[in-house]
Amino acid sequence: QKEVEQDPGPLSVPEGAIVSLNCTYSNSAFQYFMWYRQYSRKGPELLMYTYSSGNKEDGRFTAQVDKSSKYISLFIRDSQPSDSATYLCAINTAAGNKLTFGGGTRVLVKP
Amino acid sequence: GAVVSQHPSRVICKSGTSVKIECRSLDFQATTMFWYRQFPKQSLMLMATSNEGSKATYEQGVEKDKFLINHASLTLSTLTVTSAHPEDSSFYICSARPSLARSSYEQYFGPGTRLTVT
Repeated sequence: QKEVEQDPGPLSVPEGAIVSLNCTYSNSAFQYFMWYRQYSRKGPELLMYTYSSGNKEDGRFTAQVDKSSKYISLFIRDSQPSDSATYLCAINTAAGNKLTFGGGTRVLVKP
Repeated sequence: GAVVSQHPSRVICKSGTSVKIECRSLDFQATTMFWYRQFPKQSLMLMATSNEGSKATYEQGVEKDKFLINHASLTLSTLTVTSAHPEDSSFYICSARPSLARSSYEQYFGPGTRLTVT
């Protein structure tokens, strides 16, 4: 079993819809949870990070963590064609040095 | 701020030759840099952790003699793929953690280098 599981997609939504992404993880020691966006042939860029259960909002993005279920989510409201990219979750322990990435979900927002 | 560059962005080399990829933190010092490899439609796989002034730490299954890492300064790490083979063709991405980072999550990624070995 992989440490972090993520549906590869592709996930296709119409412009303006809510994009819902999620990852599950197996190691309860993980405490930091990140979401990255990666455009084709580019490096990942950090969208959001959180370290506690609950919701965190930043503009159109909401990150949700449920440690009891080992489940994290990212919601994108009012999606735009420019949101079309691959979204990667990444997880780390508090004292850890390395990020463990999910496989990435490819998202396509159609105008 | 927090910009990481990689050079070259794309390289094609012949089988058996060596290729060097540079990773630079442009506006911050980075004690630690990471090298990742990404195959098409797959996630990033950590290859090694590079610490300035010391030997790199390689992940299990990564050949240290094939992927030479040098972190000679606080703003530059290099990855040299020696005796390249077609199976080394991949997208190589580095990331850099600021020396003053408060948390392990704080890493900034470079734009990647596409290596094609013919």
